[in-house]
Amino acid sequence: QKEVEQNSGPLSVPEGAIASLNCTYSDRVSQSFFWYRQYSGKSPELIMSIYSNGDKEDGRFTAQLNKASQYVSLLIRDSQPSDSATYLCAVNGPGGTSYGKLTFGQGTILTVHP
Amino acid sequence: DTEVTQTPKHLVMGMTNKKSLKCEQHMGHRAMYWYKQKAKKPPELMFVYSYEKLSINESVPSRFSPECPNSSLLNLHLHALQPEDSALYLCASSQDSSGMGDTQYFGPGTRLTVL
Repeated sequence: QKEVEQNSGPLSVPEGAIASLNCTYSDRVSQSFFWYRQYSGKSPELIMSIYSNGDKEDGRFTAQLNKASQYVSLLIRDSQPSDSATYLCAVNGPGGTSYGKLTFGQGTILTVHP
Repeated sequence: DTEVTQTPKHLVMGMTNKKSLKCEQHMGHRAMYWYKQKAKKPPELMFVYSYEKLSINESVPSRFSPECPNSSLLNLHLHALQPEDSALYLCASSQDSSGMGDTQYFGPGTRLTVL
C-alpha cells in the first residue's frame, strides 16, 4: 500500500475556476502535511503547510486537513495559467517518529487553460 | 529569507570522474537533506544531516558520499557513477529534523548527466 496517494492527473481546469487537488495518507500518526508546487525542470517550492484539522487559507490557496479520514487537499481559487505545474503532497515521516523524513505522493499535474 | 543555494546548476561527468555537488544555506537551519529526483517522479530522500551528524542514510550506494563541513554547508561527493544516476539532485534544509512541523525548503537543484 502506497503511503501517500494522489491522483496523477492531468487535472485540467479553465482559467478563473477552482482547482481541487487531493491526497490521502496511510500512517494515522502523521502530524505534518505540506503542499509543494514544482514547475517542469525546477525544484519544489513550498505552497502550504498544515498541522491541525480544518482549513488554512493563504491568498488564493486553501489547504484542508481531515485526520480522521486521513485526507488533505489543496484548493486553488481563480486559477491562472501560471498555476500549471505538478503539485506534490508530502507527509512528515512514517510512524510519526521519523521526523525529517518527508514522504511524497506521486504528484498531480495541473493544467490551467485560458 | 528561505534561500538554499546549490552549485553547479548543471554537471556532466564520465563514469570514471570524481565530482562534488555543493549546497549552502544561511537561515540558521540545523537539518540538511539530499534528494534525488528522476523525471516525472517525486523526490527520493538520500541523506539527512541533523546538527552536522548523519542521521538518515536511505541505503544509498557508496559511490555517493555526503559531507557536512559545518551547519551551513552540505556536499555530495560523486565517484564512479552510472548512467542511471543521471537525475536532478536537490538539497533542502529545515530548522530541526526532530520537531513536528519542521518545514523543508529546497534549493534549485543540480542537473546531473552521467555519460
